[in-house]
Amino acid sequence: DQQVKQNSPSLSVQEGRISILNCDYTNSMFDYFLWYKKYPAEGPTFLISISSIKDKNEDGRFTVFLNKSAKHLSLHIVPSQPGDSAVYFCAASLSTDSWGKLQFGAGTQVVVTP
Amino acid sequence: GAGVSQSPSNKVTEKGKDVELRCDPISGHTALYWYRQRLGQGLEFLIYFQGNSAPDKSGLPSDRFSAERTGESVSTLTIQRTQQEDSAVYLCASGRGPGSMAHQPQHFGDGTRLSIL
Repeated sequence: DQQVKQNSPSLSVQEGRISILNCDYTNSMFDYFLWYKKYPAEGPTFLISISSIKDKNEDGRFTVFLNKSAKHLSLHIVPSQPGDSAVYFCAASLSTDSWGKLQFGAGTQVVVTP
Repeated sequence: GAGVSQSPSNKVTEKGKDVELRCDPISGHTALYWYRQRLGQGLEFLIYFQGNSAPDKSGLPSDRFSAERTGESVSTLTIQRTQQEDSAVYLCASGRGPGSMAHQPQHFGDGTRLSIL
């Protein structure tokens, strides 16, 4: 039962433009959401997170938006840079579950072209 | 090093053999997680350790899978009588645990790529 879904397996964007990655979830009890970035042969690295009490969190070029009514979140990267080419995973957790246990989406491969 | 360390980085074995994967978490991290990532899929939770509490084993796919953790240090994931569907990257992550003020992101190792022939 896939509770976190990333329906776009890949995204190509030109350097300098905005990358928008989408994530949908089915469990309305999720109360914390994270984005991880993964390069080949490396483990995921934390990028940015958002609590369900907020609808936006910004960190430099990265902004995460949360729409609880739609059970949807998105990650905006602006401007996109070649080093942003990686797989991005959306993850969610709920505080009533084992602390920090994450449900991951399948990932979106981002390619930033010159 | 300061990060999560996993060994071996790659493991190729024959179907039916047992394998043991090792994880050294970041020092001081009380929480330790195992995930696996099959080809083209997201990370799948396997098991969670927190201090001396009973682990959350709810993600282990079968009784061929088991894991141990010694105190708040090294963990080993053991797969007995391996099957081809066990082929995946097995990722370990550690975190500061529920004593933290807020959710803390997990820190992942680079994983063990397991291939069952």
